[in-house]
Amino acid sequence: DQQVKQNSPSLSVQEGRISILNCDYTNSMFDYFLWYKKYPAEGPTFLISISSIKDKNEDGRFTVFLNKSAKHLSLHIVPSQPGDSAVYFCAALLQGAQKLVFGQGTRLTINP
Amino acid sequence: EPEVTQTPSHQVTQMGQEVILRCVPISNHLYFYWYRQILGQKVEFLVSFYNNEISEKSEIFDDQFSVERPDGSNFTLKIRSTKLEDSAMYFCASSPGLGTVTFYEQFFGPGTRLTVL
Repeated sequence: DQQVKQNSPSLSVQEGRISILNCDYTNSMFDYFLWYKKYPAEGPTFLISISSIKDKNEDGRFTVFLNKSAKHLSLHIVPSQPGDSAVYFCAALLQGAQKLVFGQGTRLTINP
Repeated sequence: EPEVTQTPSHQVTQMGQEVILRCVPISNHLYFYWYRQILGQKVEFLVSFYNNEISEKSEIFDDQFSVERPDGSNFTLKIRSTKLEDSAMYFCASSPGLGTVTFYEQFFGPGTRLTVL
């Protein structure tokens, strides 16, 4: 099931700079997109979401951008902090469905 | 802040044994879910539950699996006869349901690590 793909397994960013995490999807029937952060041995923590009718949603240091024509979304974290080091998952929800379809995750490391 | 809780954090069992994983969803949420993550793989959906019945399930959720809401707070996943390949992290999640702006946002518990020997 490759409907949601995160092509970068890892990303390393300097503290204070911008982190950009990318996600691509294939199914144009996805209605909502969500980003989760996950520390080892913990459950995914919800960060931010976006509806397919919007192209941007912002919450504090986190902004999600959606480009429907390219079937691409990205999560921007600015400024990046050491506590942001975690695995980030993109997930999508089909119209009328309840199951989240997850990407493989991107491990973000923030260097001091 | 309300959160989803799960017990136990780690369960070790012998192949063929039954296990029950327990979850307490966020109290005013209406939809409940189980997901699992096999080591090194994606998080996969197992089942969703609403109004005391299964609303959606994946092909993974076969007759060996069942879910129940035995009372007003707990939500359980039972695996009747565990197999080696059932070893994974099992996550419970809940969402508010229709009627709220963020009805679709699912909040996850910390997970139960199931090890089948």
